[in-house]
Amino acid sequence: RKEVEQDPGPFNVPEGATVAFNCTYSNSASQSFFWYRQDCRKEPKLLMSVYSSGNEDGRFTAQLNRASQYISLLIRDSKLSDSATYLCVVPGNAGNMLTFGGGTRLMVKP
Amino acid sequence: NAGVTQTPKFQVLKTGQSMTLQCAQDMNHNSMYWYRQDPGMGLRLIYYSASEGTTDKGEVPNGYNVSRLNKREFSLRLESAAPSQTSVYFCASSEDRGPWNEQYFGPGTRLTVT
Repeated sequence: RKEVEQDPGPFNVPEGATVAFNCTYSNSASQSFFWYRQDCRKEPKLLMSVYSSGNEDGRFTAQLNRASQYISLLIRDSKLSDSATYLCVVPGNAGNMLTFGGGTRLMVKP
Repeated sequence: NAGVTQTPKFQVLKTGQSMTLQCAQDMNHNSMYWYRQDPGMGLRLIYYSASEGTTDKGEVPNGYNVSRLNKREFSLRLESAAPSQTSVYFCASSEDRGPWNEQYFGPGTRLTVT
C-alpha cells in the first residue's frame, strides 16, 4: 500500500456545489496531517492542519478517521478560485519527514 | 519578507552537464528541504537539513548533493545531469524539523535535461 493515496481527479463541479476528497494513509502512528493547496505551476501552500478529529476554517472542513486511516477535505459553496490541486500530507514511515500524496485536482466551473 | 526564494526559475541542461540550484529563506527557519515534483508522483524529498551544519538524505538522493551554506541558504547540485532528472524542484523551509511544522515553499525551478 502506498504511504499516501489520493484520487487524482479531476473533480469538475459547478460553482456553489459541495465537494469532498478523501486521502488514505498507511502509517497508523501518524498524529498530524495537512492539506496543502497548489495552483497550476505554483508552489504548494498550507491550507489546513488536522491534529485531532478534525478542523474547520470557513468553507473548508477537514476530518480525520483514525480507525480507517483516512482524512477528508470538504469544500462548501465552491468558488471559481477554489480550482487547484489539493495535496494530502502525512508524516512518513521513515523518520519525521512528510509524505505528500499525488494530489486531487479540482475544477470549479461557472 | 520575501519568504523562500529560488534561482533560477527555468533551466535547460544537456546530459552530463552540472548545475547548482540556489535557495534562500529570510524567516530564520532552522530546517530546509529540497523536493522534486513529477506528474502523478507527488513531491518527493531529495535531501533535507534539520539545522545549520547538518544534511541528510531523503527518499530520492541519488545523483544530487547539497550544501547548507549558512542558516539562510541551502543549495542543490546536480553533478552530471540525466534526462531522468527533468522535473520541477522545490525548496522549502520550516521553523524546526518534525511533521507538525508547516513547510513554506519557494516558487520552484523547472529543469529540463535533454
